[in-house]
Amino acid sequence: GEDVEQSLFLSVREGDSSVINCTYTDSSSTYLYWYKQEPGAGLQLLTYIFSNMDMKQDQRLTVLLNKKDKHLSLRIADTQTGDSAIYFCAERDNQAGTALIFGKGTTLSVSS
Amino acid sequence: DVKVTQSSRYLVKRTGEKVFLECVQDMDHENMFWYRQDPGLGLRLIYFSYDVKMKEKGDIPEGYSVSREKKERFSLILESASTNQTSMYLCASRNGGTGVGYGYTFGSGTRLTVV
Repeated sequence: GEDVEQSLFLSVREGDSSVINCTYTDSSSTYLYWYKQEPGAGLQLLTYIFSNMDMKQDQRLTVLLNKKDKHLSLRIADTQTGDSAIYFCAERDNQAGTALIFGKGTTLSVSS
Repeated sequence: DVKVTQSSRYLVKRTGEKVFLECVQDMDHENMFWYRQDPGLGLRLIYFSYDVKMKEKGDIPEGYSVSREKKERFSLILESASTNQTSMYLCASRNGGTGVGYGYTFGSGTRLTVV
């Protein structure tokens, strides 16, 4: 079945760039997503990329998609302490219709 | 903005109790989902529903059931709560159209502890 893998932890200093990586298995995924979860809260859609795109930029966020390697990354420029959260990569589960398959989440810790 | 409301933020229940987790969305979305979130395991799909009175099993349905009598409400039921069901439960909804914009809007989660 489909699987989404991401590293569990990333620690950066305030002002540095953060890069969170993700690999997925379903080459037919149409959309790939990044969600952010702040402590004690639900998940919030951060950004997404359509599978026919290589890159998408949205203010401090850059998403890169390498479809050949099934690799997705999220770059956060000028990382702030408020960016400390868990970041989830997700793909659409085509077998289940519209349910998302999530990675285990990357905990980003930003130190000042 | 779409709102997904989970009735309780924190719940403590005893082993063997029947537990109801309620989720309500206010944007007439067709699709609704229940996930549980555990440290190191990420989010796992329990059940989802395409429409009223329809339900589909996700990856880990054992020990759970669901009810969708009205479009806006999707209930998760723990028939006989056990300690291994202690977890954060997240509800999400989206409309049934194609396209990403339809968000998978999540509720704030219910942290359930079974003692």
